[in-house]
Amino acid sequence: TAGITQAPTSQILAAGRSMTLRCTQDMRHNAMYWYRQDLGLGLRLIHYSNTAGTTGKGEVPDGYSVSRANTDDFPLTLASAVPSQTSVYFCASSDGTGGSGANVLTFGAGSRLTVL
Amino acid sequence: GQNIDQPTEMTATEGAIVQINCTYQTSGFNGLFWYQQHAGEAPTFLSYNVLDGLEEKGRFSSFLSRSKGYSYLLLKELQMKDSASYLCAVRDSNYQLIWGAGTKLIIKP
Repeated sequence: TAGITQAPTSQILAAGRSMTLRCTQDMRHNAMYWYRQDLGLGLRLIHYSNTAGTTGKGEVPDGYSVSRANTDDFPLTLASAVPSQTSVYFCASSDGTGGSGANVLTFGAGSRLTVL
Repeated sequence: GQNIDQPTEMTATEGAIVQINCTYQTSGFNGLFWYQQHAGEAPTFLSYNVLDGLEEKGRFSSFLSRSKGYSYLLLKELQMKDSASYLCAVRDSNYQLIWGAGTKLIIKP
């Protein structure tokens, strides 16, 4: 089934450790996004990439980094995890970057990260 | 600042109709989205409004009034599987999506 694959599904991580959340899409979408979802808050954009080779900062980028070496993969790295990064992380993609079309997002199943 | 408001939780009865409201204050407007998210799952796209009026898609309809900064999602003939959170999102003048916290809809038999 075409879509977005995220790994791991869940992870418990000690504070100070590094972690990379993986995201792969097979829809050949140009744009990819990383969001975090916390109880009582809307989805918040961490980083995005409009096309392979480019990345940009979202609303809450501090403590996170991304790379976009090719169209399909968009990993999110936490260099030194802190408890406030405990959250559910969603990777998403779209075939455009805005404009006049709907530019609908397709989401992965999410990665639940707990930082102790 | 930018803000999306929607009720935290609503309860409705199977077979009935429910309206979930969303009000927004954003820097510009380039479309409003509704997504459905079942517990523990990914959000999935329901509807998109960019012009005023009603968009109907089966049992689900979405309404937009840009002058009032207001939208609603109307769900008819409710089924138990409609129990989920419904997320309202607005695309601002920078084409960034601003998300509401979501409305948890509980369907009772």
